[in-house]
Amino acid sequence: EIVLTQSPGTLSLSPGERATLSCSASQSVSTSYLNWYQQKPGQPPRVIIFGTFNRATGIPDRFSGTGAGTGFSLTISSLEPEDSAVYFCQQYGGSPPYNFGQGTKLEI
Amino acid sequence: EVQLVDSGGGWVQPGGSLRLSCAASGFAFSGDAMNWVRQAPGKGLEWVAYISGSGTTKYYADSVRGRFTISRDNAKNSVYLQMNSLTAEDTAVYYCAREDHPARYYYYMDVWGKGTTVTVSS
Repeated sequence: EIVLTQSPGTLSLSPGERATLSCSASQSVSTSYLNWYQQKPGQPPRVIIFGTFNRATGIPDRFSGTGAGTGFSLTISSLEPEDSAVYFCQQYGGSPPYNFGQGTKLEI
Repeated sequence: EVQLVDSGGGWVQPGGSLRLSCAASGFAFSGDAMNWVRQAPGKGLEWVAYISGSGTTKYYADSVRGRFTISRDNAKNSVYLQMNSLTAEDTAVYYCAREDHPARYYYYMDVWGKGTTVTVSS
């Protein structure tokens, strides 16, 4: 089973700053299969980046993803207050077919 | 509107059973694989179970295999999670989620229900 480790656990930044969230995999993950989700309190998660680089529908272009192999990152270029949330990376493939990182809490 | 409505949660004693339901609307349900994902209070997301569009392929997390059963009724646009032998560790919000796989190249969960809460306690 591939283990995803996210860092930092909590990130506290100010509006307008840049946030970089990391996701490290215990084995190589195809870039097609690495996704990021945003979850706000009391809401289900929503996909924001799929296939490492691709923004989901309706996601602002201040969100971007990059990475390859065992290292992936989510960058939010200029933070807005509404970006406060927990962010999870997720990989597809193998057994189990899906698993998630433990999450990074972003406080604005 | 594409929508998933999950239901069936509640309070149950350890060792008890519960059946969750997820009703889909706004898309061709039988063509899409579905998942159940859970989140214990204050914790992260845990994938629980997967079922293919036809219902012939199923996968389970190690933590629930042998106790939980995922199924679907494409005529009713619904997916289910039968949960038996429940323990306190199963206490969580349970979400159903649709798998999207554009061009069968990317795989992710693009539509989620609002979640249904399961509490296992004596």
